[in-house]
Amino acid sequence: DAAVTQKPRYLIKMKGQEAEMKCIPEKGHTAVFWYQQKQSKELKFLIYFQNQQPLDQIDMVKERFSAVCPSSSLCSLGIRTCEAEDSALYLCSSSPRQPERLFFGHGTKLSVL
Amino acid sequence: GDKVKQSPSALSLQEGTNSALRCNFSIAATTVQWFLQNPRGSLINLFYLVPGTKENGRLKSTFNSKESYSTLHIRDAQLEDSGTYFCAAEPGGYKVVFGSGTRLLVSP
Repeated sequence: DAAVTQKPRYLIKMKGQEAEMKCIPEKGHTAVFWYQQKQSKELKFLIYFQNQQPLDQIDMVKERFSAVCPSSSLCSLGIRTCEAEDSALYLCSSSPRQPERLFFGHGTKLSVL
Repeated sequence: GDKVKQSPSALSLQEGTNSALRCNFSIAATTVQWFLQNPRGSLINLFYLVPGTKENGRLKSTFNSKESYSTLHIRDAQLEDSGTYFCAAEPGGYKVVFGSGTRLLVSP
């Protein structure tokens, strides 16, 4: 199976705190995506990197999140000030190029209290 | 979401039976992917399809781009097939649009 690694598996934050999640894409993959999933429903696209450069992101990410891929082997997604609505499963996926098959990590489950 | 509609939204099967899940697209998809999300949350890529049919063990998937739909057939359902199945369509480029999933429960 694909080897996309996400850490931590679980994250608990208080409202107003900062949160950070990490993703190690599969080796050789140049495309990295972050998705948000609430209550096992559809995945919501957050941001897309190609060769470590952010090429597309939704407004929410621009306003309240910070996302970087400083190297091909490590990406991170941060929330500057957590809100209750940010409680969700955050999934990172990578692929060799786009368009191509997506491989997902196990996700980071964020709970904001 | 609305661009990718999955049916049914939930399904219960007895072990050993067969069923089919469906995705209808209101976007012009060039490729389709099917995923199984297990109870722990991990998403497993089952199929990556251009128009046509692929088979893998007890699973078979078809993507008909002209009629804008895809199906996933499960033969001889097993307990470990339980989970949520997602289809995702790619209209070209990089953005993949996910459906809202079909929750499958296989019982003994």
